[in-house]
Amino acid sequence: VHLVESGGDFVQPGESLTLSCVASEFSVSDNSMTWVRQPPGKGLEWVSFIYSDGNTDYADSVKGRFTVSRDTSRNTIYLHMTGLRLDDTSIYYCARLFRDVDLMNGHYVGNYALGVWGQGTSVTVSS
Amino acid sequence: EIVMTQSPVSLSVTPGEPASISCKSNQTLLHRNGNNYLDWYLQKSGQSPHLLIYLGSQRPSGVPDRFGGSGSGTEFTLKISRVEADDVGIYYCMQGLQTPCTFGQGTKLEIK
Repeated sequence: VHLVESGGDFVQPGESLTLSCVASEFSVSDNSMTWVRQPPGKGLEWVSFIYSDGNTDYADSVKGRFTVSRDTSRNTIYLHMTGLRLDDTSIYYCARLFRDVDLMNGHYVGNYALGVWGQGTSVTVSS
Repeated sequence: EIVMTQSPVSLSVTPGEPASISCKSNQTLLHRNGNNYLDWYLQKSGQSPHLLIYLGSQRPSGVPDRFGGSGSGTEFTLKISRVEADDVGIYYCMQGLQTPCTFGQGTKLEIK
């Protein structure tokens, strides 16, 4: 079970870039997935979820600029990034996570146990 | 958003000695289902993070039983019963109860 990211590059501010994350030995359509990033020398920052039901969530810092999607035929998730800014410079990781179901209302609850991570792909935004 | 605060920022431990890292949240991470949505991750130098503890105290298969998680609500602790040289790296807690998921700032473990 593993994940392989690709697509990182050196881009100028305002440009666009799409990252890919290919999954092996599990189905991205049956699992919830996330993108997490890490600026150089800094800590981890959550970016986006794409849930098994297809719903998505985004950090405020990327909302309206980044879009997460998946291609079940390629068993791949994507992060399409537009309007890139200097502070988007990071290593971007994809990971698989788990969610629970609230038995009282049938809603999903919690995002946890990021147990499978990719090796990361580097995005540098600079003029 | 839920703010996660780890302490200490760094610690230096003699091999074979125990180590403890604290993680506090400004809101409870305990859901009515009884789960605390708090994970611990270790990131070794040049590597991706990997999962050590989930739901506050659950250890995935393959993680040595030297690692233990405890706590509930807003206060959590990661304990390493006997530190080994391979344990060096940065430890992060993460809350997954609410979106946005948030991480602590990290605790750097070094070997004396």
